[in-house]
Parts: sequence; C-alpha cells; structure tokens
Amino acid sequence: AQTVTQSQPEMSVQEAETVTLSCTYDTSESDYYLFWYKQPPSRQMILVIRQEAYKQQNATENRFSVNFQKAAKSFSLKISDSQLGDAAMYFCAYIPLSGTYKYIFGTGTRLKVLA
Amino acid sequence: ETGVTQSPTHLIKTRGQQVTLRCSSQSGHNTVSWYQQALGQGPQFIFQYYREEENGRGNFPPRFSGLQFPNYSSELNVNALELDDSALYLCASSLLRGDEQYFGPGTRLTVT
Repeated sequence: AQTVTQSQPEMSVQEAETVTLSCTYDTSESDYYLFWYKQPPSRQMILVIRQEAYKQQNATENRFSVNFQKAAKSFSLKISDSQLGDAAMYFCAYIPLSGTYKYIFGTGTRLKVLA
Repeated sequence: ETGVTQSPTHLIKTRGQQVTLRCSSQSGHNTVSWYQQALGQGPQFIFQYYREEENGRGNFPPRFSGLQFPNYSSELNVNALELDDSALYLCASSLLRGDEQYFGPGTRLTVT
C-alpha cells in the first residue's frame, strides 16, 4: 500500500531560524512526484515545492528546500530564515505517475513560528 | 487569471439528506480532484475527473459521486448523508494529471 507519514504533529521555530519537517513514504512505483503544501489558518492550501522522483537534484524555492532521499523514501522540507507568515499546517503529498492518479497526503505538521 | 472557487462556503444538512458542492477550476485546467478533510487531518482523496471522466477514486462509497462539465467546472454529490461526512471538502484543479494542484478555499459541511 502507498502511504505518506509525517511523524511530527507539531513543530516550533524561532523567527529567523531554520526548521526541518520530516516526511517518509512507501511505494513500489519508480516514477512519481512529491509535494509540500502549506495550509494557513485561512485554510486555502498552496503549493510550497515539488520534487520529481527521477531528478536527483533537490528542489529549492527561495527559503524552502527539500532533502530527497529516494532509496530511503524520505522527503524532508527545510525552511530557512523562518518568518511569522510561515506558521501553518504543512502537508507532504505523493502521486504516482502510472495507473490511477491518486494523490496521497500525510496527516500534516503544524508549524508555529515564535517571535 | 481566476483561481479555484467553491460554493457554498458553509452548509448544514441533516443526516439522510443529499448535498451538492460546486467547484470552478482555474482557467485552462482540465483536471479536478475532490478531497475530504476531517478536522486536524490531511486531505483524503475522493476522486479525480479528467476531461469529464472519472480518472481515479479513493476509498469512498458510491454515495459519493461527481460530475465534470465541458467548461471543466465540477460537482461533488453526496447521498444519504452520515454524521461522519462532516468535514471540509476541498476541490483542486491542475493543468495535467499528476501535476501540482491549485486548491479552492473549501466548503465546510456539517451534518446534524
């Protein structure tokens, strides 16, 4: 079965510091995408970053970067120079690129940013 | 460019009733997915429509059904509502199947 696990229900970080959110997944597929989505308290989910499984290079997007370890099936998100606006629920998501396109989300990590 | 919109914002229904939720995809997107998000949980995939056909389905019973229209707007229908159907229902559209999704603000459904 394909699963996504986020083992940290809640994390805190001091403003301007760096925090890493963990995500592991289980799949037998070789071709897939991984995503991190952010859901602020106003609830509209937005994309943070995307990683294609065939790419060895880790994706980066400004202050956000990932550590993608395909063999270990690990996909962590690093947020540098944390800002108050980064406070939100963060969801890791996976989608295989074969068969039915069934997205699987983790249970989320609530990130608190302390001033 | 208009983002993904959903209506209504909130809805209260009684157990056993039927409900229809609506979604308007982002301009140019031909793929739409629906999710159920219980309080404090991650979104659970209900199904996806691609060019008006169901393209994938999660572990939801047949009383959850959908439609996608030629203009790529979409509906989620839920029959015989149960108390456990109370949740936030999210719609998301994408340009390609498997691609990044753009989410709507959701519809909060309460079943009493």
